[in-house]
Amino acid sequence: ETGVTQSPTHLIKTRGQQVTLRCSSQSGHNTVSWYQQALGQGPQFIFQYYREEENGRGNFPPRFSGLQFPNYSSELNVNALELDDSALYLCASSLEWDRAKTQYFGPGTRLLVL
Amino acid sequence: AQTVTQSQPEMSVQEAETVTLSCTYDTSESDYYLFWYKQPPSRQMILVIRQEAYKQQNATENRFSVNFQKAAKSFSLKISDSQLGDAAMYFCASGQASYDKVIFGPGTSLSVIP
Repeated sequence: ETGVTQSPTHLIKTRGQQVTLRCSSQSGHNTVSWYQQALGQGPQFIFQYYREEENGRGNFPPRFSGLQFPNYSSELNVNALELDDSALYLCASSLEWDRAKTQYFGPGTRLLVL
Repeated sequence: AQTVTQSQPEMSVQEAETVTLSCTYDTSESDYYLFWYKQPPSRQMILVIRQEAYKQQNATENRFSVNFQKAAKSFSLKISDSQLGDAAMYFCASGQASYDKVIFGPGTSLSVIP
């Protein structure tokens, strides 16, 4: 069974640029959620994708957007990067039939915005 | 709105001893789940234990157990026979049934002293 993978592991961008982060779900998981984890804090829910559609969103502006593909892999896009976007971005997948929606996390992408 | 609070930013425990990490939560939902996640320095978030709110019996996973007090909205994690590998950030989290948005607390950093 393949776990959740994310790429790249680290990324440095400058303010105003755009970034795309990628995630491959754990085998058999059709739901993907993205979280932002600032240094020293708990993860904050950005949004969730199920069957290629956004299915829930946290308190993040529209410049945070995403995609889910038929193979359940996913992308997180952030436009007009700001310094405060510097964080660890975590992708998590879950099973449709799991009522608890237990999140299985990837290793994360560390984004630094200069 | 769901909230999760962890009042202990840092804890330490002697190897082989027992430690309890505290968590309180607030939710208006009747059908919800509670989780403890561990994030070691390598940063991959790992599920430690989960509790269904409708179950009165406290969940147990090997050396890890919870004390779930529903009326008090308290969900503490007890780690018995602490090992060096238990050193990590521990996050308490709450999620609604069948909905992927999981709310995390700010975390407790656990150190294990040899």
